[in-house]
Amino acid sequence: NAGVTQTPKFQVLKTGQSMTLQCAQDMNHEYMSWYRQDPGMGLRLIHYSVGAGITDQGEVPNGYNVSRSTTEDFPLRLLSAAPSQTSVYFCASSYGPTGLEQFFGPGTRLTVL
Amino acid sequence: AQKITQTQPGMFVQEKEAVTLDCTYDTSDPSYGLFWYKQPSSGEMIFLIYQGSYDQQNATEGRYSLNFQKARKSANLVISASQLGDSAMYFCAMREISTGNQFYFGTGTSLTVIP
Repeated sequence: NAGVTQTPKFQVLKTGQSMTLQCAQDMNHEYMSWYRQDPGMGLRLIHYSVGAGITDQGEVPNGYNVSRSTTEDFPLRLLSAAPSQTSVYFCASSYGPTGLEQFFGPGTRLTVL
Repeated sequence: AQKITQTQPGMFVQEKEAVTLDCTYDTSDPSYGLFWYKQPSSGEMIFLIYQGSYDQQNATEGRYSLNFQKARKSANLVISASQLGDSAMYFCAMREISTGNQFYFGTGTSLTVIP
């Protein structure tokens, strides 16, 4: 199993550009989520999904869209990048709504100029 | 209000000594889970230990144990016999079951193990 994979690992965008961060898992996990990690802030939940076709907002959803058309994939879209979205983004997945352990991807380091 | 509070931005411990990393949480949900993750300098998030709100015993995983004091709403991580490889950021997290299973993370504690 590859676990949770994220692409790209690094990305530089200009203000106003859009892009999609990819996340995939091969563990048949129902629950997937996106976090951003900023210095001194810990990880903050952006969006999450409890299954294909079901998504919901987390703590900091503004400026981001998600969709979950398959169990495996959970892409995160930045609609119009802003410097405030410079961060490290982590995707995570777990077994079902009450799955204990979250498995994290390696992260994507995004810089918005 | 902060859901998870970690009041120790940085900690130092001598190799082979034990260290306690503090974590307090805030929830009115009777059903929740508490987690600790390790993030080494390479950046990946590594799951360490889990404690459920209804668990009677403190969780243990090898050299890691979670000191769960429900009435005080604290979930401190104890690392015994520290090793140089334990130097990393440590995050406490909580999952509230009844509010959509959202995870909340603390701001982390940077642990440095001194030879």
